[in-house]
This record gives sequence, C-alpha cells and structure tokens, in this order.
Amino acid sequence: KNEVEQSPQNLTAQEGEFITINCSYSVGISALHWLQQHPGGGIVSLFMLSSGKKKHGRLIATINIQEKHSSLHITASHPRDSAVYICAVWKGGGSRLTFGEGTQLTVNP
Amino acid sequence: DVKVTQSSRYLVKRTGEKVFLECVQDMDHENMFWYRQDPGLGLRLIYFSYDVKMKEKGDIPEGYSVSREKKERFSLILESASTNQTSMYLCASSLGLAGAPRADTQYFGPGTRLTVL
Repeated sequence: KNEVEQSPQNLTAQEGEFITINCSYSVGISALHWLQQHPGGGIVSLFMLSSGKKKHGRLIATINIQEKHSSLHITASHPRDSAVYICAVWKGGGSRLTFGEGTQLTVNP
Repeated sequence: DVKVTQSSRYLVKRTGEKVFLECVQDMDHENMFWYRQDPGLGLRLIYFSYDVKMKEKGDIPEGYSVSREKKERFSLILESASTNQTSMYLCASSLGLAGAPRADTQYFGPGTRLTVL
C-alpha cells in the first residue's frame, strides 16, 4: 500500500463546478505539499501546509493532522484548471518528499 | 522568481551511451533533487543534494550518478543508458539548509523527456 493515496484518480467536471481532490497518508509528517502539473510536464507548487487551511485565489487546501488527510478544493472551476494535481508529504524527520500518483482533472467548457 | 532550467527538453540516446542531464537554479538554493516520472508510478526520487559536493541516494539510484561541484548546478549521469531509463526526468530545488534537507517548497524545472533506443 502506498504511503500517500489520492482520490479520485480521474475527475471530469463542468466549468463552474466546485471540485475536491483528496489525499490520505499513513505516516507522520512535518509538511504536506500540493503540486500542479500541466500537459507538457512543468510542475508548480501550489501549497505547503502543516496545519489548518490555506487559500490562494480559487484554490483552498486543508489538512487534518489527526485524521492524516488533506483536501484540495477548486471553486468556480475553469478549463485552464485542467491538469494533474499531486499530493506529496515530507515525513517527520525525513529527508525527501513522498508522492501520491496524482489526480487527472479535466474541466469541460 | 525562482528559475530552474534543464539542458534539454527532449533527448534521444542509444543503449550504452553515457548521458548527462544538467540542471541549473538561479536562487542560491541549498537543496537540489533529481526525479523521474513514469505513467502509473508517479514521481520517484533518484538522488538529492543538500550541499555542494554532497549527495544522497533517493529511492531508485541504480544506474545513475550525480555531481554537484557548484551550488547552482546539479548533474544527473546515466553511465550506460538502457531502454528502461526512458522516462521524463525532472530537476527541482528548494531553499533548504546548508548541510541538511528541509521541508521547503520545491521549484521544478521543465523536465527532460529522454528516450533510449
């Protein structure tokens, strides 16, 4: 079993919908990252969080340390949000990120 | 803005060739990383470095080596390329601490898609 599990693997939405991507992990962590990868390969870091909630524009990331769970929400989704969203954790006392397999999001106009 | 550049976007090599992938960052970051990305397997760490001339093995170091002679440059070397090393290779850097890894935001390069024939 992977230490970082994302759901769903694939998600198709209509423009304007509210989207949630989930990430569960099975290890103690010092930080959790959400990354975005557009077609063509480039990866951008969206959030790094260790507690609570962060917001950037239409993106919101939350984390529940006790439940070992994080969610990435996109409000008022747009076709340009179509990308792979990747969850990654930095284990407590660790030296590298452990990645989930990613969620492919497609937003149709 | 942090900029991480990789020497090639696409590369085609033959089995047995020695391959060099170069990564340069311009933000004086301490930590640098090499990943490969394959369908269904996600991102996997090959090697990382948290200081000049220091390197640590990641999860899949076999068949690879690295070099970090200057702070801004981290090279990945395939000593004798094989077809199972056909993949997307991504470099990343983070601020970090000199001599120690730290859970900072990582900045990724555009990737090199390597094909080994």
